[in-house]
Amino acid sequence: DAGITQSPRHKVTETGTPVTLRCHQTENHRYMYWYRQDPGHGLRLIHYSYGVKDTDKGEVSDGYSVSRSKTEDFLLTLESATSSQTSVYFCAISDGFSGGYEQYFGPGTRLTVT
Amino acid sequence: GQQLNQSPQSMFIQEGEDVSMNCTSSSIFNTWLWYKQDPGEGPVLLIALYKAGELTSNGRLTAQFGITRKDSFLNISASIPSDVGIYFCAGQLQGGSQGNLIFGKGTKLSVKP
Repeated sequence: DAGITQSPRHKVTETGTPVTLRCHQTENHRYMYWYRQDPGHGLRLIHYSYGVKDTDKGEVSDGYSVSRSKTEDFLLTLESATSSQTSVYFCAISDGFSGGYEQYFGPGTRLTVT
Repeated sequence: GQQLNQSPQSMFIQEGEDVSMNCTSSSIFNTWLWYKQDPGEGPVLLIALYKAGELTSNGRLTAQFGITRKDSFLNISASIPSDVGIYFCAGQLQGGSQGNLIFGKGTKLSVKP
């Protein structure tokens, strides 16, 4: 299994509060991704990173920001959580070389915004 | 945005049966990946395909990269109870951003009652 951990694994927060989710990898992979998974929508890309301090938006980036100050860590921040951001969040990593596009996923964080 | 049509959405299996599912699109893909997700866990990569016409196996699982590059197929032979879960296809669009995958909505495999 790829060395990917996510923290916290579960979180309940109130509307309007800031929330930060952490993804940590031990594989030294260049690419890191944040997805959300919702019933009926599958996996949707929020933001991704192609190197330290290099990030870009995905399909559903509104209301989210990211930061990557070290190769191994990719943080996802909800500046002011809303109920529509209740979801399961997955981090994924890719080395961008072995075939290029194989992504390996973390165990997920279940976030509930009340 | 771009979409992958994955079918069937759900199916019931009986132990020993063969299972087939597919993903189709109107766009051309350079890569097809197949994942399995168990409840409460992240998706796990099963098979990766990189060339049109490629046929790749992983145990009882076989996947194919369609000749038109617009579709992919996954077959599971002689299903067993632990095959239950959700299977996702994912593809890298030709000309798409490096490493950005598009995911199908999944095929849910359940055991026949």
